[in-house]
Amino acid sequence: DVKVTQSSRYLVKRTGEKVFLECVQDMDHENMFWYRQDPGLGLRLIYFSYDVKMKEKGDIPEGYSVSREKKERFSLILESASTNQTSMYLCASSKGQVLNQPQHFGDGTRLSIL
Amino acid sequence: AQKVTQAQTEISVVEKEDVTLDCVYETRDTTYYLFWYKQPPSGELVFLIRRNSFDEQNEISGRYSWNFQKSTSSFNFTITASQVVDSAVYFCALSSQGGSEKLVFGKGTKLTVNP
Repeated sequence: DVKVTQSSRYLVKRTGEKVFLECVQDMDHENMFWYRQDPGLGLRLIYFSYDVKMKEKGDIPEGYSVSREKKERFSLILESASTNQTSMYLCASSKGQVLNQPQHFGDGTRLSIL
Repeated sequence: AQKVTQAQTEISVVEKEDVTLDCVYETRDTTYYLFWYKQPPSGELVFLIRRNSFDEQNEISGRYSWNFQKSTSSFNFTITASQVVDSAVYFCALSSQGGSEKLVFGKGTKLTVNP
């Protein structure tokens, strides 16, 4: 089974802090994704990556950046956290060699910015 | 533009009732894929099914069944004889060959199954 592991289930940070959310997958997947989930808005894509050192903006990239130095790890960075970034963050991965494969999700990180 | 609409925000049923979750999609692509995911209270999204646009056969997996109709751009999900463990938020999602592996999600339907 695919395992996508997010470093924290709950995280509390302060406004202005630099925040790192880490995600690791163990199935050698090429594609990795970061979403945020908010009530009434569903899941919205922040960034995704097709391969090491590659990244593409999703629908709501403002205020975020990402890093993919190794195939198995995809980090989401909040450069200067703000209260409107309080949310549930979900990481996902999928196999890249065949198109449109299912994405497999981690447990999520519930981030609160005070 | 691609869009997925789940018009039912919340549904509440009593155990053993059948329940259908609606999903309507929009896409200009001729080749696309539809997905359903389940998100239990624990938070992790669990993949349930993937269906491509060329396969309109209905699918049944135990108590779950899916009805794909291109004519109405719908991909509805039915749970037969619902159980309390089916309580979750269910998401319908769409991706296409022109969409670069991105999933477009509906806003989800929260299903509560009461004992």
